[in-house]
Amino acid sequence: GDSVTQMEGPVTLSEEAFLTINCTYTATGYPSLFWYVQYPGEGLQLLLKATKADDKGSNKGFEATYRKETTSFHLEKGSVQVSDSAVYFCALMDSSYKLIFGSGTRLLVRP
Amino acid sequence: EAGVVQSPRYKIIEKKQPVAFWCNPISGHNTLYWYLQNLGQGPELLIRYENEEAVDDSQLPKDRFSAERLKGVDSTLKIQPAELGDSAVYLCASSLDASGKNNEQFFGPGTRLTVL
Repeated sequence: GDSVTQMEGPVTLSEEAFLTINCTYTATGYPSLFWYVQYPGEGLQLLLKATKADDKGSNKGFEATYRKETTSFHLEKGSVQVSDSAVYFCALMDSSYKLIFGSGTRLLVRP
Repeated sequence: EAGVVQSPRYKIIEKKQPVAFWCNPISGHNTLYWYLQNLGQGPELLIRYENEEAVDDSQLPKDRFSAERLKGVDSTLKIQPAELGDSAVYLCASSLDASGKNNEQFFGPGTRLTVL
């Protein structure tokens, strides 16, 4: 079945450092891809998405590009802030409109 | 506009007891989802409703779990009897529709269940 694999955390960075969180997927066809963020004590929020190959999703300085050839959707940000500390989930939507999530990557940004 | 509302936020029960979770989706959202999130894992879909119809309940353990969405708005998820392994966060989400451009899912804060 379809699946999502993302790098294990925690990822610890200093403020203003460059962030990459790797995400790869296995799926039949070309699913839509998503990044969700979960701040402490809050529900998941959609961060960005891409619906077809070579699309780039972006929001709040975060970016991810849908790479069909490498089945990847890596999350990047050029300069992280303390407020970016959260758990990040990569997900795909399968052919039955079900979201399939990775296991999450915790990001800790230190001042 | 209010987001997805869930209650209670936390629940502690002893094993073999029943428990119920309630979800109020965003107004106008036809599709409602219940997810299970174990510690350190991503959410997994339990059931999806289109209005009042359960259209995907393949992952719902039907021996002890049940759900309903009367009138196609609010929904309840019940576990009876609860087991130790049911300790997790139960998330509710809603979207305008399941497919097409209106399929963004909005999540509630979840109910954290602890079974002792």
